[in-house]
Amino acid sequence: NAGVMQNPRHLVRRRGQEARLRCSPMKGHSHVYWYRQLPEEGLKFMVYLQKENIIDESGMPKERFSAEFPKEGPSILRIQQVVRGDSAAYFCASSSRWSGRSGANVLTFGAGSRLTVL
Amino acid sequence: AQTVTQSQPEMSVQEAETVTLSCTYDTSESDYYLFWYKQPPSRQMILVIRQEAYKQQNATENRFSVNFQKAAKSFSLKISDSQLGDAAMYFCAFQGAQKLVFGQGTRLTINP
Repeated sequence: NAGVMQNPRHLVRRRGQEARLRCSPMKGHSHVYWYRQLPEEGLKFMVYLQKENIIDESGMPKERFSAEFPKEGPSILRIQQVVRGDSAAYFCASSSRWSGRSGANVLTFGAGSRLTVL
Repeated sequence: AQTVTQSQPEMSVQEAETVTLSCTYDTSESDYYLFWYKQPPSRQMILVIRQEAYKQQNATENRFSVNFQKAAKSFSLKISDSQLGDAAMYFCAFQGAQKLVFGQGTRLTINP
């Protein structure tokens, strides 16, 4: 089991360009979460998706950011017209079921994608 | 909304000694789970230990143990016999009905 795979590990973009970050969840996992980590800070929740559905996007900036998790293929976090403030590490995590009252649902994290905006 | 607070930005300990990292949280939920994650320089998030709120017994994983005080909403991590490989950022996290919420982190340094 290869775990949660994120690519690219490092991405450099100039202001105004688009960034696409990909996440392949663990085998058998159908729930994906995206988190952002700014330098010297903790991880901040962005969005939670199941296959073809966005369940919770309360942490997503209202503009320029979007996420999808299609029926086939990896989950994509897309940032349009990047600005320097978007520079951060973006982590993806996956789980086999919803994190809810039915029981703890341990998230498995990928190694992260570091975005640098010049 | 749930919040998680780690009041110690940095901690250091001598190799082989014991260190305790603090964490407090705020929630109105009664059923929830608490976690400690370790983030070494590789930036990989590694689960260290977890605690179910309904369990009174403190969780233990080898050299790692927690002191869970539900009434005080406190969840500290104790690392015994500290090793050089324990050096990392440590994040406390809360999981209630929905998303996992992280604290700001504590950077742990191990002095040889």
